[in-house]
Amino acid sequence: DADVTQTPRNRITKTGKRIMLECSQTKGHDRMYWYRQDPGLGLQLIYYSFDVKDINKGEISDGYSVSRQAQAKFSLSLESAIPNQTALYFCATSDFGLAGDTQYFGPGTRLTVL
Amino acid sequence: GENVEQHPSTLSVQEGDSAVIKCTYSDSASNYFPWYKQELGKRPQLIIDIRSNVGEKKDQRIAVTLNKTAKHFSLHITETQPEDSAVYFCAASLYAGNMLTFGGGTRLMVKP
Repeated sequence: DADVTQTPRNRITKTGKRIMLECSQTKGHDRMYWYRQDPGLGLQLIYYSFDVKDINKGEISDGYSVSRQAQAKFSLSLESAIPNQTALYFCATSDFGLAGDTQYFGPGTRLTVL
Repeated sequence: GENVEQHPSTLSVQEGDSAVIKCTYSDSASNYFPWYKQELGKRPQLIIDIRSNVGEKKDQRIAVTLNKTAKHFSLHITETQPEDSAVYFCAASLYAGNMLTFGGGTRLMVKP
């Protein structure tokens, strides 16, 4: 879905480095999410934000932080990357309206921590 | 909180056969149940969803059924094709637009 974009698409970094993953959306959705997916496994929620001033931890937030710079932008940071943070990271958005709208995912960022 | 269990974790079918994936959820307040398909290395994409005010929904070869009393819902794919091979995730939520709780996923393999 081209309405949700993520940068970078691939990133290789070293242990201890700080890294930021960015997500932008043009869907006009209020709510944004960051997920992590390990190979062959399901989706784990890292953080979610229901509006610019509302940020909440998900099930695996340790080692991660987020910033909601605007309605359309939600960034995920790894303050000091470690190898077990090697994974595929997805951003998603959803809309809380009268009918509501499901989550739409970005294309993902493949992160490798050496 | 909500807990969603999905079975089976892997499913292999012959092309043309039907495939059924089942999910159970724990929170009786959940009212929205989407299904996502994820091809290898790609993003999860919504294929069908159902709200609690209906018991079944169809879209061509795909159907979803919901039993609120038993707290389970199922994905049915008929006349499977090789391009149906992917990982399928079920999810549950209080309402569309809210946080989703995902099942663990089912890897479907359709053999030609």
